[in-house]
Amino acid sequence: DTGVSQNPRHKITKRGQNVTFRCDPISEHNRLYWYRQTLGQGPEFLTYFQNEAQLEKSRLLSDRFSAERPKGSFSTLEIQRTEQGDSAMYLCASTWVNTEAFFGQGTRLTVV
Amino acid sequence: AQKITQTQPGMFVQEKEAVTLDCTYDTSDQSYGLFWYKQPSSGEMIFLIYQGSYDEQNATEGRYSLNFQKARKSANLVISASQLGDSAMYFCAMSPDSNYQLIWGAGTKLIIKP
Repeated sequence: DTGVSQNPRHKITKRGQNVTFRCDPISEHNRLYWYRQTLGQGPEFLTYFQNEAQLEKSRLLSDRFSAERPKGSFSTLEIQRTEQGDSAMYLCASTWVNTEAFFGQGTRLTVV
Repeated sequence: AQKITQTQPGMFVQEKEAVTLDCTYDTSDQSYGLFWYKQPSSGEMIFLIYQGSYDEQNATEGRYSLNFQKARKSANLVISASQLGDSAMYFCAMSPDSNYQLIWGAGTKLIIKP
């Protein structure tokens, strides 16, 4: 296992299009997090899964955002009808109970 | 409100010198964890060090140590003998007991000068 993997690394999309990102966590980790990070800022929490259950969602996660983690393995984050304000780095992290979170390299989204 | 504050937006340090990055936090939880992560220009968040709120001794990991002062609610990162490869953004984060999310500071950009 080489760590948390995120795909794609970069995505450029036109405003109004839908995009989907994928995160493959470390295989034995049961917790998976999505964060958004804009330039010059720390990450902001978006949502959290324990196994396949989505246990917490930030108010930042508007109706255009949806996340899934079928079968408690990989996770997808979809953004519908993208807006320029969605441009950011989207980070995925996984962890076992009460250990540090391991992050993927992120997906950088640019909405033009 | 739960919050992390990093008051140093940027720092320049001479190679081989020690550097302290400041972090203060605010929480009403009794149990919490404090983390430091390094983010190089490649974008990946790299875990550096962890301190639990009930840990009596300051955490150390190689050249990294965490100066934990619970009464002052501070968790400063100390990097000894800085290296050029230490140049990066450094984030302090907290995991409160009351929820599952990590709360992050705004980061400090550290530049090591040769």
